[in-house]
Amino acid sequence: GQSLEQPSEVTAVEGAIVQINCTYQTSGFYGLSWYQQHDGGAPTFLSYNALDGLEETGRFSSFLSRSDSYGYLLLQELQMKDSASYFCAVRGSGGGADGLTFGKGTHLIIQP
Amino acid sequence: DVKVTQSSRYLVKRTGEKVFLECVQDMDHENMFWYRQDPGLGLRLIYFSYDVKMKEKGDIPEGYSVSREKKERFSLILESASTNQTSMYLCASRGSEKYGYTFGSGTRLTVV
Repeated sequence: GQSLEQPSEVTAVEGAIVQINCTYQTSGFYGLSWYQQHDGGAPTFLSYNALDGLEETGRFSSFLSRSDSYGYLLLQELQMKDSASYFCAVRGSGGGADGLTFGKGTHLIIQP
Repeated sequence: DVKVTQSSRYLVKRTGEKVFLECVQDMDHENMFWYRQDPGLGLRLIYFSYDVKMKEKGDIPEGYSVSREKKERFSLILESASTNQTSMYLCASRGSEKYGYTFGSGTRLTVV
C-alpha cells in the first residue's frame, strides 16, 4: 500500500515564500502530484512530478527526490487567495489502472 | 475545460435506504474514480474504473458498489445507507497523468 506524511498546518505571511513537504512510502512509484482545495470547493490539480527535480508553474513549483521518497510544493509571492488545503498524492502502480492515494492535507494560513 | 458533474450537491437519506450518486464527465476519459473526504482523514479511494463495465476496489469499498455502463457516467451506490457513510463524496476523471484528475464539486451526503 501507500502512505504519505505532510504537516497538518502551515502559517505564512502575504508576499512571502512557503514550502510544504511530503514524504511517502509506496511499493511502486508512478509520480507525485499536488492538489489545492479551498474550503467548500473541489480539489484542483496543481502539478505532477514523475522524475527527480523541480517543475515550475508560475508562482508554484514542485520538487521530487525519488531516492529520498520526498517532495515539496513551493509557493512564492503568497497571496491571500492561496489560503487553502494542499494535498500531495502518489500512484503506486502502473498501467493507469490505479487510483491516487492522498495525504491528509496541509492547511495553509496566510496572514496579512 | 473538462467538466465533471455530480448530480446532487446535498443529499439527506435515511438509514437503510439505497442511495445512488451520479457522476458524468464530458471529455471521453477512460479513468473515473470515487473518493470520500472526511475531516482529518483526507481523501480516500472507494472504487475506480478504467473502462466501461470495469471496476476495481479502492481502499475502502465496504458498503459501496459502482456501475459504469457508459464511458461518461460512473455511479456510486450505497446498498443500505448507514450513519457512518455521512461524508463528502467526490467523483473524478483522468486522461493523461500529467494533467491530473478533474474533480466534481462533490455531494455532501447526510444519513440520518
